[in-house]
Amino acid sequence: GAVVSQHPSWVICKSGTSVKIECRSLDFQATTMFWYRQFPKQSLMLMATSNEGSKATYEQGVEKDKFLINHASLTLSTLTVTSAHPEDSSFYICSAPRSGGSQETQYFGPGTRLLVL
Amino acid sequence: GQSLEQPSEVTAVEGAIVQINCTYQTSGFYGLSWYQQHDGGAPTFLSYNGLDGLEETGRFSSFLSRSDSYGYLLLQELQMKDSASYFCAVKGQTGANNLFFGTGTRLTVIP
Repeated sequence: GAVVSQHPSWVICKSGTSVKIECRSLDFQATTMFWYRQFPKQSLMLMATSNEGSKATYEQGVEKDKFLINHASLTLSTLTVTSAHPEDSSFYICSAPRSGGSQETQYFGPGTRLLVL
Repeated sequence: GQSLEQPSEVTAVEGAIVQINCTYQTSGFYGLSWYQQHDGGAPTFLSYNGLDGLEETGRFSSFLSRSDSYGYLLLQELQMKDSASYFCAVKGQTGANNLFFGTGTRLTVIP
């Protein structure tokens, strides 16, 4: 069964609104989670690393004030797309490494498809 | 920086064998992974090579040559359900668990 969940699975919103996406690790704790973005027919691009109890680390070119990340507990990270615009329409995927795991135990959520009108 | 190059598209016949190549340039190397992604879905882990050589997992095998900065994914006895995108990936530059993905290969299996 799924070990990482995301909610919602898809969302349609008007330009200028904010959208919150939740990523939960199921039955394991994740002090670190990762947020990726994938545009159609392209690869996954890492946006940021979410750290429990501390600030997120953003990749170059990702606006931290636009993509707010909160990792309030060991099983939940949220990504908020603030003042969303059509160019933010994408597939957002989170992942979490299992405690003590190596690369081969990285678990991905099912993704959230965002469409901004 | 890091870059991983893959062929953009591959087409193969059901029952055949197909190889998907990945060449990489990284500062710091912590192994090569392969992921499968069906349309609209999340990536699922297929295979990992930390050392040179071949790793076999059922119909899927993966190979790594660190001296050549090269790896490949081998899919045998192709099935229609294998039609998907395949990505090679490496860890972040510091060896952290974030992944840097290759350009991706779209595999189409035809009858």
